[in-house]
Amino acid sequence: GQNIDQPTEMTATEGAIVQINCTYQTSGFNGLFWYQQHAGEAPTFLSYNVLDGLEEKGRFSSFLSRSKGYSYLLLKELQMKDSASYLCAVVDSNYQLIWGAGTKLIIKP
Amino acid sequence: NAGVTQTPKFRVLKTGQSMTLLCAQDMNHEYMYWYRQDPGMGLRLIHYSVGEGTTAKGEVPDGYNVSRLKKQNFLLGLESAAPSQTSVYFCASGKGQGGADTQYFGPGTRLTVL
Repeated sequence: GQNIDQPTEMTATEGAIVQINCTYQTSGFNGLFWYQQHAGEAPTFLSYNVLDGLEEKGRFSSFLSRSKGYSYLLLKELQMKDSASYLCAVVDSNYQLIWGAGTKLIIKP
Repeated sequence: NAGVTQTPKFRVLKTGQSMTLLCAQDMNHEYMYWYRQDPGMGLRLIHYSVGEGTTAKGEVPDGYNVSRLKKQNFLLGLESAAPSQTSVYFCASGKGQGGADTQYFGPGTRLTVL
C-alpha cells in the first residue's frame, strides 16, 4: 500500500528553526509537494521537489532524497503566523497525489 | 480574479437528504478535484476531472456523484447523506500533468450530517 508518514504535532519557539520530516512509500514517484494549511482555511502551495537536493525559498526550504523516500521542510526565523499544519503529498506513478495527515506546528512566544 | 470558490460554506443535513456542492474556478484550469478532509487523516480524493465533460473516481467515491458540464464548474452531489459523510470538503483545480502540478484550493465546505 501507499503510505506517507509525518509527525502529528511539533512545537517550536518564535525566532527558532524547525524541521518537519516526511517519509513515504508509494508506487512510483513523480514529485513531492509541501502545502501549508492554517486552521479553518484551505491548503496553499509551499514547495515542489522532483530532484534530490535542497530548494530554498525565503525562510522556507525543502529537501528531497528519493533513494531514502524522505523529505523535510525547514522553516527558519519562525514567526507566530507560521503556526499551521504542514501537509506532505507525493505524486505517484499514476500522477495521483497521495497526502500525508499533516503536521500541526505550534509556535510559542 | 477570484481563484477557486465553493458554495455553500456551511451546511447541516439530516440523514437521507441530498445536496449539491458547487465549485467554480476562473483560472482556465483543465483539472479539477473534490477532496474530503477528516481529523487525523490526509486529504482523500473523492472524484476528479481532467477536462470539460469528463469525470473519474478517486480513492473514496462511494456515496458521491460529480458532473463537469462546463470547464469552470465542478459539482459534487450527495444523493442520500449519511453521518459518515460529515467532513470538510475541498475543491481544487490545476493546470495539467495531473497531480504533478500545483493545485489551488477553494475555501472549503463544512458539512454536518445528523
